[in-house]
Amino acid sequence: DTGVSQNPRHKITKRGQNVTFRCDPISEHNRLYWYRQTLGQGPEFLTYFQNEAQLEKSRLLSDRFSAERPKGSFSTLEIQRTEQGDSAMYLCASSSPIKFRTGNTIYFGEGSWLTVV
Amino acid sequence: SQQGEEDPQALSIQEGENATMNCSYKTSINNLQWYRQNSGRGLVHLILIRSNEREKHSGRLRVTLDTSKKSSSLLITASRAADTASYFCATDSPNFGNEKLTFGTGTRLTIIP
Repeated sequence: DTGVSQNPRHKITKRGQNVTFRCDPISEHNRLYWYRQTLGQGPEFLTYFQNEAQLEKSRLLSDRFSAERPKGSFSTLEIQRTEQGDSAMYLCASSSPIKFRTGNTIYFGEGSWLTVV
Repeated sequence: SQQGEEDPQALSIQEGENATMNCSYKTSINNLQWYRQNSGRGLVHLILIRSNEREKHSGRLRVTLDTSKKSSSLLITASRAADTASYFCATDSPNFGNEKLTFGTGTRLTIIP
């Protein structure tokens, strides 16, 4: 079990530049999630995929953000024209299919820190 | 927006003592989960309790859930220095299964050796 892998772990970029983060979920997990976490706060949901389909997007995901999961395996999160307010940790997570009203554990990666200067 | 609020925001105790953290939430839930996060790291799942359960144990962890009060507590017994971390509760909605977890603001726990 290699766990959820994210890279890069740290990224410093100048305001206005584009950045892309990659997430490799646990291999048998068909659900993949992106969360954002700022200092002193809990993670906030951004979006999730079931296989390659993006099924829900938060209002936090502005049009500068785009997430893809082209073959239902790894996912990328791109932020265009970065702003200082985008500075945060971006967390990826994955899980197995769930049954109605039974809980399922979501496994998180170590996160990708973004600093926009 | 944050669904839950953890209480206290920060807690410092001596090693060996018990630590209790509370979580309150606002809407109906399917499940409530507790996660631990070491500084600058990802989240580690600790325990899940379903809405029809009232108490659950896992090792040194004890979780209670009171759906009438929309609250949960996490008790860590016989604390160790390695328990120093932030602890978050997370809830999911009956409308969404667990596609979307809503996290609280966390309790930062410091264990003093």
